[in-house]
Amino acid sequence: NAGVTQTPKFQVLKTGQSMTLQCAQDMNHNSMYWYRQDPGMGLRLIYYSASEGTTDKGEVPNGYNVSRLNKREFSLRLESAAPSQTSVYFCASSTRPGPNSPLHFGNGTRLTVT
Amino acid sequence: TQLLEQSPQFLSIQEGENLTVYCNSSSVFSSLQWYRQEPGEGPVLLVTVVTGGEVKKLKRLTFQFGDARKDSSLHITAAQPGDTGLYLCAGAFWTQGGSEKLVFGKGMKLTVNP
Repeated sequence: NAGVTQTPKFQVLKTGQSMTLQCAQDMNHNSMYWYRQDPGMGLRLIYYSASEGTTDKGEVPNGYNVSRLNKREFSLRLESAAPSQTSVYFCASSTRPGPNSPLHFGNGTRLTVT
Repeated sequence: TQLLEQSPQFLSIQEGENLTVYCNSSSVFSSLQWYRQEPGEGPVLLVTVVTGGEVKKLKRLTFQFGDARKDSSLHITAAQPGDTGLYLCAGAFWTQGGSEKLVFGKGMKLTVNP
């Protein structure tokens, strides 16, 4: 039972390059999320998908796009990476939308933009 | 604006000591979750508290939700090196716009020395 799987685990990009972070969950959860974690800032929500076919902006969506490919998969794309996007990115899922539903996190993608 | 304040931010103690972590806010929360995150991994849910005054126990961990649902505490008895990690609280609250959000605190980094 893998839970939430994120790929890649590590990535180094040059400013202006693009990349897609992949996330898949095998728990049949309806809702999926992308967070970033920065020192001294805590976890901040980038985008979320309450259910298959819907996506919404979170607290810090600028510079990112998302795709809910199907119920299992939710990807995060950086079209033109900037050093300010250096962070650890976590994908999470929950059984239902809403902040009262506990989150199941993946192990993160550590991204460095030079 | 930081809605959730966690204290202390860092704590280094010896094995066998007790400790308490606090999570405070001026906002009322509909629920509050506690997570533990180990280095290189994603946060893992420990507990969710919903009712004001609620106390939950998980082995040596005791969680309390304040009567007014504005604060919470986590008490660890006889800490062990395996308790080392980042402890995060996350509160669900209603915004002025009528939507419900989940906000994470910055976390408390605990090191338990053998």
